[in-house]
Amino acid sequence: NAGVTQTPKFQVLKTGQSMTLQCAQDMNHEYMSWYRQDPGMGLRLIHYSVGAGITDQGEVPNGYNVSRSTTEDFPLRLLSAAPSQTSVYFCASSYGDRGDTDTQYFGPGTRLTVL
Amino acid sequence: AQKITQTQPGMFVQEKEAVTLDCTYDTSDPSYGLFWYKQPSSGEMIFLIYQGSYDQQNATEGRYSLNFQKARKSANLVISASQLGDSAMYFCAIVRDDKIIFGKGTRLHILP
Repeated sequence: NAGVTQTPKFQVLKTGQSMTLQCAQDMNHEYMSWYRQDPGMGLRLIHYSVGAGITDQGEVPNGYNVSRSTTEDFPLRLLSAAPSQTSVYFCASSYGDRGDTDTQYFGPGTRLTVL
Repeated sequence: AQKITQTQPGMFVQEKEAVTLDCTYDTSDPSYGLFWYKQPSSGEMIFLIYQGSYDQQNATEGRYSLNFQKARKSANLVISASQLGDSAMYFCAIVRDDKIIFGKGTRLHILP
């Protein structure tokens, strides 16, 4: 199993550009989520999905869109990048049940810089 | 809304000593779960330990144990016999329904 994969690893954008951060998992996990990590702020939940076709907002959803057309993929879209979106982005997945199966498996992260 | 607080932004501990990392949470839901993750300087997130709100015993995983005090809404991580490789950021997180909320983290430095 590859686990959770994220592409790209690094990205530089100009203000106003759009892009999609890719996330895929091969563990048949129902639950997937996106976080951003900023210095001193910990990880903040952007959007999450409890299964294909179902998404919901987290703590900081503004400026980001998601969709979940398959169980495996959960892309994060930045429609018009802003410098405030400079961050490290983590995708995570889990089975979505209670107990140890709620353990989140994290991707390696994408470091995004918006100029 | 649930909230999770880690009050120690940084800690310095001598190698081989035990370490306690604090975590308090605030939720009105009787059913929830608590996690601890480690993030070394390489950046990956590593799962350490999980405690469910209905679990009667404190969770343990090797050198890691969770000091769960439900009435005080506290879920401190205890690392026994610390090692240099334990130097990292440590995050506490709470899961309720479908949302997982992280604390801001504690940076642990293990001194030789």
